[in-house]
Amino acid sequence: DTAVSQTPKYLVTQMGNDKSIKCEQNLGHDTMYWYKQDSKKFLKIMFSYNNKELIINETVPNRFSPKSPDKAHLNLHINSLELGDSAVYFCASSRAPRSYNEQFFGPGTRLTVL
Amino acid sequence: TQLLEQSPQFLSIQEGENLTVYCNSSSVFSSLQWYRQEPGEGPVLLVTVVTGGEVKKLKRLTFQFGDARKDSSLHITAAQPGDTGLYLCAGEWETSGSRLTFGEGTQLTVNP
Repeated sequence: DTAVSQTPKYLVTQMGNDKSIKCEQNLGHDTMYWYKQDSKKFLKIMFSYNNKELIINETVPNRFSPKSPDKAHLNLHINSLELGDSAVYFCASSRAPRSYNEQFFGPGTRLTVL
Repeated sequence: TQLLEQSPQFLSIQEGENLTVYCNSSSVFSSLQWYRQEPGEGPVLLVTVVTGGEVKKLKRLTFQFGDARKDSSLHITAAQPGDTGLYLCAGEWETSGSRLTFGEGTQLTVNP
């Protein structure tokens, strides 16, 4: 059974489009995250939710909007996609917000904006 | 601005050699983790260190947390081709709340 799953695995789209990435975890965790990994493999946190409430919101363009319908899901919607949005996006979850808790990562969604 | 520096960025060695990866900051960490990431997959946790001076071992991997909790190292003994991957340190600073900051990663290649 997959602990943290993301869909789609690959996403190729044109500049200006709107797209969504879905994430689900079946670990019973309270906290979920979205990370962006650029072409140099640098992994940077974007958002974190705890029990469906936003607790971390890094300096991310407001074209990015996370939504957590319940504790097990955290989706990421991106409006007006730009070339610089091309990256691998990882969803992760942990038992609780403190970072010493193990974070379990999904397999990533490779987004390519043409 | 708090920075987490990881070195080296790339490391290519022969099977059987030893290696060390370093992670440094000018600020004190509440905790520090090491992850390993393989191509096409998400990072997987190797270890978490919390106490200054702490040493943890995972088979041929030895992790050390500095006494002042500002640095950490990962030492691999007798590296194997299966150790190939991207190694990431990630720390939570005392002043950053529950926010994990990742280093730039070390791409390790172990040649048979």
